[in-house]
Amino acid sequence: DAEITQSPRHKITETGRQVTLACHQTWNHNNMFWYRQDLGHGLRLIHYSYGVQDTNKGEVSDGYSVSRSNTEDLPLTLESAASSQTSVYFCASSESLDRGYEQYFGPGTRLTVT
Amino acid sequence: GNSVTQMEGPVTLSEEAFLTINCTYTATGYPSLFWYVQYPGEGLQLLLKATKADDKGSNKGFEATYRKETTSFHLEKGSVQVSDSAVYFCALTPGYGNNRLAFGKGNQVVVIP
Repeated sequence: DAEITQSPRHKITETGRQVTLACHQTWNHNNMFWYRQDLGHGLRLIHYSYGVQDTNKGEVSDGYSVSRSNTEDLPLTLESAASSQTSVYFCASSESLDRGYEQYFGPGTRLTVT
Repeated sequence: GNSVTQMEGPVTLSEEAFLTINCTYTATGYPSLFWYVQYPGEGLQLLLKATKADDKGSNKGFEATYRKETTSFHLEKGSVQVSDSAVYFCALTPGYGNNRLAFGKGNQVVVIP
């Protein structure tokens, strides 16, 4: 069965370190998304991609970057981790940009920056 | 801009009670509307959706009707179970060529036996 996976599931890192969170989907979807989930804020979009070599900034992109070298993967990099980036991160993918198409979510990565 | 507003605070209710979670939205054009559910320790999964005015989405006993006149998409279930305990998110995508989800803040639902 097709799926979307994230790794690691839990990560503790120190302030200032570079961290990369992996996202891999086997749906063969062109559209992929990264969100962060924080209490009181719901989910907020960090970056998204509509295909290979395409990346776009979301509403909370400062301090994060992504790259899309193939269809299956969209890794999220925190260039220099900050305590404000402690959060739960979700990756998602979608088959189409047309109205009504749902996004499929990964299980999440809980990141703690100390 | 596009935004979704959910009622404040967690919802605690007894098994077999009636559940309503309010959701209103602001959007230009004709958005698609969604309810996602997040069970403890898991990612989000689609519960139901509606893509045009007056559509009713339904799944697992949950229902929501797309009301353009009141810009609302309230979630309802007639008789909740303990297994319905989860966080529920209302969300929208703006329209053609843009399926970036805008989420509400979510509501924690706790069902007590």
